[in-house]
Amino acid sequence: AQRVTQPEKLLSVFKGAPVELKCNYSYSGSPELFWYVQYSRQRLQLLLRHISRESIKGFTADLNKGETSFHLKKPFAQEEDSAMYYCALLLVGNQFYFGTGTSLTVIP
Amino acid sequence: GAVVSQHPSWVICKSGTSVKIECRSLDFQATTMFWYRQFPKQSLMLMATSNEGSKATYEQGVEKDKFLINHASLTLSTLTVTSAHPEDSSFYICSASSAGQGARYEQYFGPGTRLTVT
Repeated sequence: AQRVTQPEKLLSVFKGAPVELKCNYSYSGSPELFWYVQYSRQRLQLLLRHISRESIKGFTADLNKGETSFHLKKPFAQEEDSAMYYCALLLVGNQFYFGTGTSLTVIP
Repeated sequence: GAVVSQHPSWVICKSGTSVKIECRSLDFQATTMFWYRQFPKQSLMLMATSNEGSKATYEQGVEKDKFLINHASLTLSTLTVTSAHPEDSSFYICSASSAGQGARYEQYFGPGTRLTVT
């Protein structure tokens, strides 16, 4: 069963425009959700996690249990935000399940 | 910061041979290591979870006799692709985590190993 869904494979926005990368999850327990980012030719790295409620590089994500969503948002996209973004669900035993990823392109 | 390395970064092998990929945590002790597989332009698929000193737990659909995982120490896990076939060609990524390293349950990813089976 697909636990994490990212409906958009590709997303393009203009520089300075708001951006939202969608993520929905399926899990009956209390979820721990994360966003990972992979810049070109670099390894996967943690962007943010819902439990810390932090803002990293201007990105925020709010866990909505009613809608089972954890969308990633940024009010003003920058060119350096172009990357592959993965939503991930952490299960018991440190097991991460990743979504299929969204490739974000910020057009100058 | 926590660093995870993989070796080799790229390997080409002939069909029917076996290939070993190493994953090392360089500056911390990884109680748990994970192996993922990533097809081009697709997501990471968790293959197995290994805890130091115990047998790996494989995800459904992953052949444990084909993908042998050994986690003999707190800094090293190996993935051996046995009797490799062209369909095993993929990008293999490991990650490591330790309850005492960084944020709780944070995973640190290796750079990946590209396997091409001819």
